Amino acid sequence: EVQLVQSGAEVKKPGESLRISCKDSGYRFTSYWISWVRQMPGKGLEWMGRIDLSDSYTNYSPSFQGHVTISADKSISTAYLQWSSLKASDTAMYYCARWREDIVALDVWGQGTTVTVSS
Amino acid sequence: EIVLTQSPGTLSLSPGERATLSCRASQSVSSSYLAWYQQKPGQAPRLLIYGASSRATGIPDRFSGSGSGTDFTLTISRLEPEDFAVYFCQQYVSSPLTFGPGTKVDIK
Repeated sequence: EVQLVQSGAEVKKPGESLRISCKDSGYRFTSYWISWVRQMPGKGLEWMGRIDLSDSYTNYSPSFQGHVTISADKSISTAYLQWSSLKASDTAMYYCARWREDIVALDVWGQGTTVTVSS
Repeated sequence: EIVLTQSPGTLSLSPGERATLSCRASQSVSSSYLAWYQQKPGQAPRLLIYGASSRATGIPDRFSGSGSGTDFTLTISRLEPEDFAVYFCQQYVSSPLTFGPGTKVDIK
């Protein structure tokens, strides 16, 4: 059974860097895509981008291109979302989810990681 | 970018009633590429429907999806207490994947 376990909540200051993680605890990690989705407080879902775990090919939403980096380490079945310089507007819940090409949907979700950026 | 609009924004109903949620796309979406998700407070979203009308694993048959082109519908035939939540539609005809703003189904 696929289970995506995300890293814990983070509190950071503006300008700091951050990397959060998403670990697959039960499936062949290399055989699908992982997407990252942002949910700002009280708001809807925003797709940030995805990574093909077989070859680390990435595909970003134009809204997030250049602002975050998505990467993965197949050897430890973990995907990452990274910021080099956080802003207060990055405060949000971030979810990873498995993308299934065959059903064109996100069928398994992590529990979410809360990121708070405040001076 | 395909924009999804959902209506109504909030739907106030009683347990046992029928809920009809709408999702409209700014351009035609193949039914294969339309999905619905449920999100309860403090929880991650959960996939309900993919391919516009196929229920995901473990989803009760009171949930059904329909539609084509630019207009899609999620129907909950008889609301159970656990169904009061926010529902999002999603498309991926082409990148970027987009979600609708959501419909909140709350208890009347």
